[in-house]
Amino acid sequence: DAGITQSPRHKVTETGTPVTLRCHQTENHRYMYWYRQDPGHGLRLIHYSYGVKDTDKGEVSDGYSVSRSKTEDFLLTLESATSSQTSVYFCAISVDRAQPEAFFGQGTRLTVV
Amino acid sequence: GNSVTQMEGPVTLSEEAFLTINCTYTATGYPSLFWYVQYPGEGLQLLLKATKADDKGSNKGFEATYRKETTSFHLEKGSVQVSDSAVYFCALSDRGNTPLVFGKGTRLSVIA
Repeated sequence: DAGITQSPRHKVTETGTPVTLRCHQTENHRYMYWYRQDPGHGLRLIHYSYGVKDTDKGEVSDGYSVSRSKTEDFLLTLESATSSQTSVYFCAISVDRAQPEAFFGQGTRLTVV
Repeated sequence: GNSVTQMEGPVTLSEEAFLTINCTYTATGYPSLFWYVQYPGEGLQLLLKATKADDKGSNKGFEATYRKETTSFHLEKGSVQVSDSAVYFCALSDRGNTPLVFGKGTRLSVIA
């Protein structure tokens, strides 16, 4: 299994509070991604990174920010959590453009009350 | 833009039945195609892939053939088991441009 660790695995937070999810990899892969999974929507890309300090938006980036200060860590921040951000969040990594298949972490279940 | 369309589930089969999950795609170039499987409470796992037309990906008794003429990548298994119960996702990468584009997933339930 790819060395990907997401933390926390479960979190309950209140509306309006900031939340940061962490993804840590031990594979030294260049690309890292954050997806959210919701019933009826499948997997939707939030943000991704193609190198240290290099990030780009996905299809559902509003309300989220990311940072990547080291190759191994990719942080997802909800600046002010809303109930619509209740979801399961997955981090994924891939080697490079020649090997685009992604490897996924176990997910973080976030509930905003 | 690029997109993936999967048959809607859920799909319920008896053990040892034949499985087909349809997947079609739209892409501007010549994509690589993937099937992922997600077991309850887990992340997605790569099941198989194909990188060019007429390639067949296979793994754990599952297989899928990249059909450029029909823009399809249907997943098949000759004899399903209860342990195959999961959600299956079709995905593409267009000309190596990450990230992957996913279909909405198809839930498979296999009953003994």
